[in-house]
Amino acid sequence: AQSVTQLGSHVSVSEGALVLLRCNYSSSVPPYLFWYVQYPNQGLQLLLKYTSAATLVKGINGFEAEFKKSETSFHLTKPSAHMSDAAEYFCAVSESSSNTGKLIFGQGTTLQVKP
Amino acid sequence: DAGVTQSPTHLIKTRGQHVTLRCSPISGHKSVSWYQQVLGQGPQFIFQYYEKEERGRGNFPDRFSARQFPNYSSELNVNALLLGDSALYLCASSIRQGGGYTFGSGTRLTVV
Repeated sequence: AQSVTQLGSHVSVSEGALVLLRCNYSSSVPPYLFWYVQYPNQGLQLLLKYTSAATLVKGINGFEAEFKKSETSFHLTKPSAHMSDAAEYFCAVSESSSNTGKLIFGQGTTLQVKP
Repeated sequence: DAGVTQSPTHLIKTRGQHVTLRCSPISGHKSVSWYQQVLGQGPQFIFQYYEKEERGRGNFPDRFSARQFPNYSSELNVNALLLGDSALYLCASSIRQGGGYTFGSGTRLTVV
């Protein structure tokens, strides 16, 4: 069975500092991996996705993530945090061989950006 | 272009009642998925429909049902509402099964 673990329910950084949000996954088949962001009272916005091409994936708003199979990780980074990055971030996994379209989400990490 | 549209945006129902939530996918998207997001948790998969057929079902009771129409829009129905059904219900659409998913803003359901 697939699962996702996001380490740290809350992460706080200063504006301009490095953002690192951790995600580890479990999957018995090659996974597709996603990072979504959710602002208050809104739906989910796709930041980036890994679908077995390049292991370093660049997304929107300066975010990127690296797929590391040996570590079963897909951590999200951004070199310099901006106040507008404060939001809830979700890592998700799906089976590349599946036709169900089912995404398994982690519990989420709240990013706080301090001025 | 319009994104994924969900209606209503907010809804208050009483325990035991029935509710219908609606979703219009992005034009050209044939796959629709439904998720339940309880406050403070990640979304949980409920259903996926593709070409009007159910292609996936999550671990939810039979009180939850859905369907997809010929224009690819979808309805999620929940019968005999419980307090625990209070959540944000999210709809996501994709061009095909297993593709990238675009989410709507959700319907906030409160059961009292």
